[in-house]
Amino acid sequence: GENVEQHPSTLSVQEGDSAVIKCTYSDSASNYFPWYKQELGKRPQLIIDIRSNVGEKKDQRIAVTLNKTAKHFSLHITETQPEDSAVYFCAASLNNQAGTALIFGKGTTLSVSS
Amino acid sequence: KAGVTQTPRYLIKTRGQQVTLSCSPISGHRSVSWYQQTPGQGLQFLFEYFSETQRNKGNFPGRFSGRQFSNSRSEMNVSTLELGDSALYLCASSSRGGSDNEQFFGPGTRLTVL
Repeated sequence: GENVEQHPSTLSVQEGDSAVIKCTYSDSASNYFPWYKQELGKRPQLIIDIRSNVGEKKDQRIAVTLNKTAKHFSLHITETQPEDSAVYFCAASLNNQAGTALIFGKGTTLSVSS
Repeated sequence: KAGVTQTPRYLIKTRGQQVTLSCSPISGHRSVSWYQQTPGQGLQFLFEYFSETQRNKGNFPGRFSGRQFSNSRSEMNVSTLELGDSALYLCASSSRGGSDNEQFFGPGTRLTVL
């Protein structure tokens, strides 16, 4: 079945630095790749997503890149701030009869120190 | 619009018992997915319902089941509870079918099995 690998599992940066989280997926039919941020005790919130017909998408300090050939996608956060500290999950769609199931990576705990 | 709601928010059960969790999607959303979140495994897909039909199912034993009602509300049931079923159970809703549709998460139900 579909599998999503996410690295690193923990990431510590200084405020103002950039952070990069990488994911690989196994199912070449996947066509939707969202990223979720989960703060402690809260529900996952979508921060950015990308579809397979696009190679890169940016939203202010956050960007996502997708390489379909390599089955690899990455999250880039620039000018990190303490409030960026959270667990970040990547996901890939499970393309099975038009369902909306997502297969998640195991998460990256990002710590931004001031 | 009101967000996704889940009841109850917290639940304590003992081994061997069964439990039913409820999820009310965002008004107008027809797809509901369920995920199990544990510290070691991240978010794991359980199943997805659309218009009262199960469309996708993850790799969980038959003790885990679900259903969806005509108003799109969904329930999941776990029978013969085991200690390892202790987790945060999240549901997510999306507006339509299709594998590239944003999912909105509920706050989760924290299940503790003693």
